[in-house]
Amino acid sequence: EVHLVQSGAEVKKPGESLKISCKGSGYSFSHYWIGWVRQVSGKGLEWMGIIYPDDSDTRDSPSFLGQVTMSVDKSINTVYLQWSSLKASDTAMYYCARLASGISGAIDTDFDYWGQGTLVTVS
Amino acid sequence: QSALTQPASVSGSPGQSITISCSGTISDVGGYNLVSWFQQHPGKAPKLMIYEVSKRPSGVSNRFSGSKSGSTASLTISGLQAEDEADYYCCSYAHINTLVFGGGSKLTVL
Repeated sequence: EVHLVQSGAEVKKPGESLKISCKGSGYSFSHYWIGWVRQVSGKGLEWMGIIYPDDSDTRDSPSFLGQVTMSVDKSINTVYLQWSSLKASDTAMYYCARLASGISGAIDTDFDYWGQGTLVTVS
Repeated sequence: QSALTQPASVSGSPGQSITISCSGTISDVGGYNLVSWFQQHPGKAPKLMIYEVSKRPSGVSNRFSGSKSGSTASLTISGLQAEDEADYYCCSYAHINTLVFGGGSKLTVL
C-alpha cells in the first residue's frame, strides 16, 4: 500500500532555517514525481514545485522560486523541502503528494496520494 | 501566475446536482486536457476525485464527473449527499511546466 509520511510540526523564529521531509513507501519511489503544496490556514491550495526522485529533475512555481529548495535522498525514499531564512508569511500547512502518472520529464496534475501535512509556524 | 477562478461557494440539497466551474486561460485550462479536481474535508489532506478532465480514479463514486469547454472546466456532483460537503479545488497544467490550483469552492449540502 502506498504511503507518504511527513515529518512533524515545527515552530520556528523568523530568520531560522528549516527542512521538512516526506517519506514514501509501498511503491517504486524513484519513478514517481513528488510535489509540494502549501495551504495557509483558511485559504486555498498553492502549488510550490515538484521533483522526480530518480534524477532530481525539478519544476518550480514562479511564486516560490528562490524561496524554497526541494531535494531528495533516494537511499531512504525521502524528499525534502527546505527554507534558508523563514518569514512569518511561511506559516502554513505543507503537503507532499505523489503524481499518479510516473513519467520522467513530464508532469501532470493527478496527485493520487498525499502526506498527512506538516504544520510550520514561524513566530 | 494567477490562480484559476472558482466560485467561492456553492450549495445544493440532498439528491440534487451541482456544478462547480474552474475558469482559466488558453495557457492553462484551455490549452491542455490536464485538469484535476480535489476534495478536501476540514483538517484532512486533499483527495483526487477527477483527473485528465473527466477520468475517475478507482474508488471514486460515479456521482462525480468532470468536463471542459474552452478554458473552463467543470465538476458535477449528482445525487448530493451530506458527505459531499467539503472544499473542492481544480488544478491545471500550465505552460512552461507549471501547475496552478483554483481558489477553491466550499460546497454546502443544505
